[in-house]
Amino acid sequence: NAGVTQTPKFQVLKTGQSMTLQCAQDMNHNSMYWYRQDPGMGLRLIYYSASEGTTDKGEVPNGYNVSRLNKREFSLRLESAAPSQTSVYFCASSEATGENYGYTFGSGTRLTVV
Amino acid sequence: GNSVTQMEGPVTLSEEAFLTINCTYTATGYPSLFWYVQYPGEGLQLLLKATKADDKGSNKGFEATYRKETTSFHLEKGSVQVSDSAVYFCALSPRVNYQLIWGAGTKLIIKP
Repeated sequence: NAGVTQTPKFQVLKTGQSMTLQCAQDMNHNSMYWYRQDPGMGLRLIYYSASEGTTDKGEVPNGYNVSRLNKREFSLRLESAAPSQTSVYFCASSEATGENYGYTFGSGTRLTVV
Repeated sequence: GNSVTQMEGPVTLSEEAFLTINCTYTATGYPSLFWYVQYPGEGLQLLLKATKADDKGSNKGFEATYRKETTSFHLEKGSVQVSDSAVYFCALSPRVNYQLIWGAGTKLIIKP
């Protein structure tokens, strides 16, 4: 049972380069999320998708775009990477409300922008 | 607004010690409350949850009770092991949207 799969696990980018982080879940969850985790800052929501076909901004959306390709897949794109985007990125999924079932997280992508 | 406050870490304990990690919250309405654990190099995993006042969530020897009167959801374990070393996150769901509100996390270090 794979759960939430993120690729790649590690990535180094030069300032100004672009890349897409991939996320797929096999639990038939409706909602998916992208978070970043920085030391001392906890988790901050970048974007989320409440259901297939919808996406919404979270707390820190600037510099990112997302695509909910289908019910399984939710990708995060950095169009022009900046050193401030150096972070660990987590994808998560949940049932429609998330109040009783909680979130299932991927293992993360460690991104360094130099 | 909604917020979660956790005790700052790191918390360092010896094996078999009693653990308490404090978590308090502010919320409108009646949120659900969660504890997540993050082991080194991994994503977060749901540890336990409580959906209404006085509920007790429990898992792997950890417990937390939803206290509405003190707006708290403290995590406890009677006897910690080295394998419990991790970062612990308290979170709430306000139930009006799909988002979880997160605490900053508390790093727990257990020494043999």
